[in-house]
Amino acid sequence: GESVGLHLPTLSVQEGDNSIINCAYSNSASDYFIWYKQESGKGPQFIIDIRSNMDKRQGQRVTVLLNKTVKHLSLQIAATQPGDSAVYFCAEISASGGSYIPTFGRGTSLIVHP
Amino acid sequence: GAVVSQHPSRVICKSGTSVKIECRSLDFQATTMFWYRQFPKQSLMLMATSNEGSKATYEQGVEKDKFLINHASLTLSTLTVTSAHPEDSSFYICSANMLGAGDGYTFGSGTRLTVV
Repeated sequence: GESVGLHLPTLSVQEGDNSIINCAYSNSASDYFIWYKQESGKGPQFIIDIRSNMDKRQGQRVTVLLNKTVKHLSLQIAATQPGDSAVYFCAEISASGGSYIPTFGRGTSLIVHP
Repeated sequence: GAVVSQHPSRVICKSGTSVKIECRSLDFQATTMFWYRQFPKQSLMLMATSNEGSKATYEQGVEKDKFLINHASLTLSTLTVTSAHPEDSSFYICSANMLGAGDGYTFGSGTRLTVV
């Protein structure tokens, strides 16, 4: 994998604000991307995904934007709530040796203040 | 929805012993499962890709003799940490995707391994 094990950047927001979490991916051949939420001591939970033939996808309170030109993903969370506090990872899915392998970005710790 | 069960959630073992971690897909078949390792406040690092009925593919720098992976059925993969040492203490997470799908990667709840 190409993920880099760097320490996590932090984004602090007030409850009710909108949050934008950014992610740079590495493989221009990746054609599928997923955002995950990870709470302390738990495995990642699927939030939203997007394929490379799209540049925007909306879910409930979340929107993912994909800019393939600069290999950048963002996750927008509307009306952020304290329960949204967690670490958020983007994963890019690319083919390798016959398998499709998820590779994770560095992650962002989101802290929501009541 | 797809559920991946990982067991145990926590394990403490003595240095030199081996520990087995199980990853099961409960309601779907998974030809491919992935094993990740995560250090505190860091991202998930892919250790190996496990394919049912064949040998696992290990990432560069991961010792295959130390981290034994077995994927004997379409619903079960196991990771055995052999001769564990304190530096093997970490959070281990498995992931599986549904047979024939290029998406839908579901993760287990992780295993916190502490080697004393």
